Amino acid sequence: EAQVTQNPRYLITVTGKKLTVTCSQNMNHEYMSWYRQDPGLGLRQIYYSMNVEVTDKGDVPEGYKVSRKEKRNFPLILESPSPNQTSLYFCASSSHGLAGGSEQYFGPGTRLTVT
Amino acid sequence: ELKVEQNPLFLSMQEGKNYTIYCNYSTTSDRLYWYRQDPGKSLESLFVLLSNGAVKQEGRLMASLDTKARLSTLHITAAVHDLSATYFCAVDWAGNNRKLIWGLGTSLAVNP
Repeated sequence: EAQVTQNPRYLITVTGKKLTVTCSQNMNHEYMSWYRQDPGLGLRQIYYSMNVEVTDKGDVPEGYKVSRKEKRNFPLILESPSPNQTSLYFCASSSHGLAGGSEQYFGPGTRLTVT
Repeated sequence: ELKVEQNPLFLSMQEGKNYTIYCNYSTTSDRLYWYRQDPGKSLESLFVLLSNGAVKQEGRLMASLDTKARLSTLHITAAVHDLSATYFCAVDWAGNNRKLIWGLGTSLAVNP
């Protein structure tokens, strides 16, 4: 089954404790992206990747890191989480990125709470 | 910078009625996407509109794109309860970095 998976789905952590949210897709997609969703603010892009070893900042990259060492995986790293990073996070992928007019497939989401 | 505005943000309608959700954007773009999000769930692609005048239909939903007016509409025909969800439009912005700019979403409740 074609899908985007994220782990963990739920996470409660404390300020400053490094964490990684994994994202994996099995569709051989080139483009992958991370979003955060907050009430009243809609979806905001954190980082995206056009292909392996190619990443770039989205609208709200501060406090986040990403890497794309393999095509299928695109982990999101919070080196020192803070309470303002409490949010619902989505990973997404698409076959050819935005230039190709491709729809994005979203993972199930990770609900992160930082206390 | 590109801004995307959806209206209404909240919509309560009766089953069987028709309604239209509007998505306005502020800068030239010819690619627009509609997504659906059920409560507590992820986002699902509904339509990809890639040119002026594009129209796509799926069941009771029909989306159109007018790039000259910088407007997309999502028309709901004879609404049913199963259409209750939040609907997002997103516009492809080929600015400094190609990215999607999202509207805030329209929360639709279809009542019996």
